[in-house]
Amino acid sequence: QSALTQPASVSGSPGQSITISCTGTSSDVGAYNYVSWYQQHPGKAPKLMIYEVSNRPSGVSNRFSGSKSGNTASLTISGLQAEDEADYYCSSYTTSSTQVFGGGTKLTVL
Amino acid sequence: QLQLQESGSGLVKPSQTLSLTCAVSGGSISSGGYSWSWIRQPPGKGLEWIGYIHHSGSTYYNPSLKSRATISLDRSKNQFSLKLTSVTDADTAVYYCASGKQWLLSPFDYWGQGTLVTVSS
Repeated sequence: QSALTQPASVSGSPGQSITISCTGTSSDVGAYNYVSWYQQHPGKAPKLMIYEVSNRPSGVSNRFSGSKSGNTASLTISGLQAEDEADYYCSSYTTSSTQVFGGGTKLTVL
Repeated sequence: QLQLQESGSGLVKPSQTLSLTCAVSGGSISSGGYSWSWIRQPPGKGLEWIGYIHHSGSTYYNPSLKSRATISLDRSKNQFSLKLTSVTDADTAVYYCASGKQWLLSPFDYWGQGTLVTVSS
């Protein structure tokens, strides 16, 4: 299985909004609404931010939102804050009953 | 609230077998519905899903690992394990154990802190 495709980096200024894309195929992202997003700060374990395309776990800021169209899912962060600077990974359930991650996107808050 | 803690050999020689264990607290690995996963991250690189196991013993693996990986449960110790055979430098990574609340479909809700495994002679 091939990794999902994410941009290597995105950046934005405090208060702005950014969107990170995650492109897969009809065998993963396009097949189900089981796309998740994770935030990872340096030296830390990833943290679940979005599940099932657009749902936020308890405790995650409503500045984080997710969506999907066809084979591409997206994570949007509004009102950027300094603490949002991190790596972000998408993942998807696949038609082979496996999981696949994206390559990761480094978010820089300018 | 589940807590996961990885342990195992931090240094493995090439061609040997990597062995890691994930101790689970705050819940039982025999609880229906949960998935118990291993995920790794080479230094400076992205996450790679290795595989997961259900309390029934059913498993799924990343096909790219070519049958080198085996995940198993130890119900008596409330832990699950990973064995990866014939390791090479490419297997050097931080290895995370993780769990999901729903078999197969769940995201990775809980993560261990990760443990670095270096493959070197």
